[in-house]
Amino acid sequence: RKEVEQDPGPFNVPEGATVAFNCTYSNSASQSFFWYRQDCRKEPKLLMSVYSSGNEDGRFTAQLNRASQYISLLIRDSKLSDSATYLCVVAGFQKLVFGTGTRLLVSP
Amino acid sequence: EAQVTQNPRYLITVTGKKLTVTCSQNMNHEYMSWYRQDPGLGLRQIYYSMNVEVTDKGDVPEGYKVSRKEKRNFPLILESPSPNQTSLYFCASTPGGSYEQYFGPGTRLTVT
Repeated sequence: RKEVEQDPGPFNVPEGATVAFNCTYSNSASQSFFWYRQDCRKEPKLLMSVYSSGNEDGRFTAQLNRASQYISLLIRDSKLSDSATYLCVVAGFQKLVFGTGTRLLVSP
Repeated sequence: EAQVTQNPRYLITVTGKKLTVTCSQNMNHEYMSWYRQDPGLGLRQIYYSMNVEVTDKGDVPEGYKVSRKEKRNFPLILESPSPNQTSLYFCASTPGGSYEQYFGPGTRLTVT
């Protein structure tokens, strides 16, 4: 089993749609969780950290479920510019593990 | 501007010809690392460094070397490149006490 698993997609959604991605992790001792965004063959960039209580940044909401060992990312009112690959990252004890990413395509 | 730079951005080389990919950051970060990204495998850590003169293996270190003689620089060395090292390489730096990675723009390497 992979340490961090994501549905590769692609998720094809129209503009304005709400879309959600999940990510599961296997190490229950993991300490920190993040979502990164990566545009085609460019460097990943931090989208948001994920906190135990859940957190929101504009149209983006991230949630953590430690009991079930998954994190989620919800994007509301999708924009064309949201088209990218979203990487789930799980960290602990000086080690980061990246998921393989979920590709999102937002169409007009 | 705070940034991580890598050079070269693109490189095509032949099997066995030693090469170095440079990485430099201007944010005074302690922690630096190298990743390779391959389709279906995601980002995998090659080597990391927690500070000057302190380096350690990541998940896929075979065929690579690194050095950290200065805080800002963390070059990746391929002594004898092979075709299975064809990949997209990212350097990243992280401030102490954080897990947030700041990535360089990437180096696309092709070994024929």
